[in-house]
Amino acid sequence: DSGVTQTPKHLITATGQRVTLRCSPRSGDLSVYWYQQSLDQGLQFLIHYYNGEERAKGNILERFSAQQFPDLHSELNLSSLELGDSALYFCASSTRTSGTGELFFGEGSRLTVL
Amino acid sequence: TQLLEQSPQFLSIQEGENLTVYCNSSSVFSSLQWYRQEPGEGPVLLVTVVTGGEVKKLKRLTFQFGDARKDSSLHITAAQPGDTGLYLCAEGGATNKLIFGTGTLLAVQP
Repeated sequence: DSGVTQTPKHLITATGQRVTLRCSPRSGDLSVYWYQQSLDQGLQFLIHYYNGEERAKGNILERFSAQQFPDLHSELNLSSLELGDSALYFCASSTRTSGTGELFFGEGSRLTVL
Repeated sequence: TQLLEQSPQFLSIQEGENLTVYCNSSSVFSSLQWYRQEPGEGPVLLVTVVTGGEVKKLKRLTFQFGDARKDSSLHITAAQPGDTGLYLCAEGGATNKLIFGTGTLLAVQP
């Protein structure tokens, strides 16, 4: 158990819909990272938050947004969903502000868009 | 944008065999991490290498960082079914993002 909690574990929805994925980091970790994993693209970095502030962005689509709340949990919002958004979405937390520290990953949220 | 290429993409071997997987970059790594991901779980850190030429051992796993810090390898001796998983290299540095390689999917048959 990494200490990172993600909900929901599985989500099935239709194209055009909007979903919210939730992440609770390990106790004491201020950094939260979001990744998307698909068979053809591998594990892709989406966004990094540190103590409520956005620190880095990857190739995150404009239809996607994220935030980190004062209690340090984070949410990833995916809107106008397309078939290609079907993937595993991972949240990871770290004590570090930069990428050199160890990331602790949750078990992921599997999104299926029909 | 730094690209991390891993090879081979897939590897299926018998229990007891040795294997090596590689991670290559288009530019110099500041540091490199290796993770293993098992089915249904998130990646778990195995090791971090920082210095060019560095070698680290973790039981039957040996990690090597290239002298020029543009490549790394992971060697597994006497592979076991429990070694099955997706092996990922990742580079972060001070960029506030950890970029993962393309991955090597290893299957060890009993």
